[in-house]
Amino acid sequence: DIQMTQSPASLSASLGETVTIECRASEDIYSNLAWYQQKPGNSPQLLIYDANSLADGVPSRFSGSGSGTQYSLKINSLQSEDVASYFCQQYNNYPYTFGAGTKLELK
Amino acid sequence: EVQLVESGGGLVKPGSSLKLSCVASGFTFSSYGMHWIRQAPKKGLEWIALIYYDSSNKYYADSVKGRFTISRDNSKNTLYLEMNSLRSEDTAMYYCAKNYGEVMDAWGQGASVTVSS
Repeated sequence: DIQMTQSPASLSASLGETVTIECRASEDIYSNLAWYQQKPGNSPQLLIYDANSLADGVPSRFSGSGSGTQYSLKINSLQSEDVASYFCQQYNNYPYTFGAGTKLELK
Repeated sequence: EVQLVESGGGLVKPGSSLKLSCVASGFTFSSYGMHWIRQAPKKGLEWIALIYYDSSNKYYADSVKGRFTISRDNSKNTLYLEMNSLRSEDTAMYYCAKNYGEVMDAWGQGASVTVSS
């Protein structure tokens, strides 16, 4: 199975700040990577797919990048509604696997 | 608007069975693959199964293979997850999700399953 290592596990940032979350795959996943946001008490929602494509309705302050085994999610100008957990997921091979998540809080 | 509504969760004893349902609306259910994903309390997400739009292919995580069965009834816009030989480690919130190019672009609110004696 492909292991997804996500960092950091938690992150505290101020409003308006730019934050970056990293995700490393145990093998090349050829940009078959998605990012999901899960707000407290809610279901996850798709943010990014194919490593850098924004899902419908997602604000443009979110962006994804990377290739091979290294990927990142960037949030520009952090807003209060961005407080959530973020998960990466590879879909290059079955079984699909998720990173352990990054909990983003406001400083 | 896409809606996915899970049901069938509950408290069960180890070794018992349970069947979850997920009723879909707001899209052409018969045209899309569907996933089940679970999340143990205070833990991360675990993908557990995928079924193609026409049930021609099914894929499972090793942790549930041979115990869980994913199925669907396109005439009822309903996805199912039959869970047998349940263990304490199966305790989780179970989500169904719509497949879009191998990612999950819409999720239900979840059904809670607790396996405990």
